[in-house]
Amino acid sequence: SQQGEEDPQALSIQEGENATMNCSYKTSINNLQWYRQNSGRGLVHLILIRSNEREKHSGRLRVTLDTSKKSSSLLITASRAADTASYFCATVYISGGYNKLIFGAGTRLAVHP
Amino acid sequence: NAGVTQTPKFQVLKTGQSMTLQCAQDMNHNSMYWYRQDPGMGLRLIYYSASEGTTDKGEVPNGYNVSRLNKREFSLRLESAAPSQTSVYFCASSEGNSGYGAYNEQFFGPGTRLTVL
Repeated sequence: SQQGEEDPQALSIQEGENATMNCSYKTSINNLQWYRQNSGRGLVHLILIRSNEREKHSGRLRVTLDTSKKSSSLLITASRAADTASYFCATVYISGGYNKLIFGAGTRLAVHP
Repeated sequence: NAGVTQTPKFQVLKTGQSMTLQCAQDMNHNSMYWYRQDPGMGLRLIYYSASEGTTDKGEVPNGYNVSRLNKREFSLRLESAAPSQTSVYFCASSEGNSGYGAYNEQFFGPGTRLTVL
């Protein structure tokens, strides 16, 4: 399937450390999006990177995209306890003439004070 | 702006009962979606509406129906609930009508936690 797969499934770090999450996918994409989900809440869009972009920054977030390897990474620098959440990548690709978006299973990040 | 709102927040049903989950957005978005999220899994698309007046099946449509009542509202109906439909249901919306608008970021509601006994 087209579904993105995140790695690792779970990550536990100390406050102040950097957190890196990876996403791999199978076919060509239009863009790739990262979302965050706090426990018991809906998803919140973090960042969108287009297929012709290689790197994008937003505050403490840095996203890279390597279309040759069909992979992306999300780096959170200087993590805080409030960053504790699940992080999902979602790939956007064309199927049957339409843009479709498929979510991966997510990475659970725990940041300890 | 409230963004995307969903009602109810929680619901318990018995097998065979029916119910409708409501969703509304105030961002004037063309596209709306219904997802389900099961433990340890990402979101799976149930149905979507690219624009007012159109609806289409997603990955897991069996056992569900939808209605795009107007541009703001998109409801999900379970006609005869089954335990396999126990899940958290999310509604989302996005701008644009490129394909079904999935090109752009999606805005999510807070979810409805449904248990079917």
